[in-house]
Amino acid sequence: KQEVTQIPAALSVPEGENLVLNCSFTDSAIYNLQWFRQDPGKGLTSLLLIQSSQREQTSGRLNASLDKSSGRSTLYIAASQPGDSATYLCAARRIQGAQKLVFGQGTRLTINP
Amino acid sequence: EAGVAQSPRYKIIEKRQSVAFWCNPISGHATLYWYQQILGQGPKLLIQFQNNGVVDDSQLPKDRFSAERLKGVDSTLKIQPAKLEDSAVYLCASSPRQGDTGELFFGEGSRLTVL
Repeated sequence: KQEVTQIPAALSVPEGENLVLNCSFTDSAIYNLQWFRQDPGKGLTSLLLIQSSQREQTSGRLNASLDKSSGRSTLYIAASQPGDSATYLCAARRIQGAQKLVFGQGTRLTINP
Repeated sequence: EAGVAQSPRYKIIEKRQSVAFWCNPISGHATLYWYQQILGQGPKLLIQFQNNGVVDDSQLPKDRFSAERLKGVDSTLKIQPAKLEDSAVYLCASSPRQGDTGELFFGEGSRLTVL
């Protein structure tokens, strides 16, 4: 059974810092891994999708990496801004079965001006 | 392109009452998902449809929850009777097809409070 863990549960940093959010998964047989952003009271917005054959994906100030052998993914945010404050969730999709996404509990990020 | 539409956005009911949530996925998306997100937790899959067929409902509490997607487009999730622990946000998502390499697209969610 796939389990996805995100540590820390909450993170607060000053504006302008570069930061890394961590995601670990127990089953390396994943199809892809997706990072989402969730603002309070809102749904999930897809940020980056990494296929199992890829090592990383980049979009603007965001870079996500995937290391299946160690069961880890990281989301790197460069030059953080107050508008980046949100909860960030990672989700892994299995290769077999119904290919449902299994989510971590999320990291609540606060960027202080 | 219109996103995933959900209604109602908010619903407050008393325990043992019933409630229904509606979802209209992105046009042309064959796969539709209902997730339950309890405060402070990640979303948990309740049911997955491929067109109008159920692919995975292993975590759906079938004694009280039901869902349908009769015409393979929009979907309804029903809870009857509701319990206090059903208080959560119910998220609908869609993707082009099962097994694709694409992303899941989520709606804004329907927040349920059971008193």
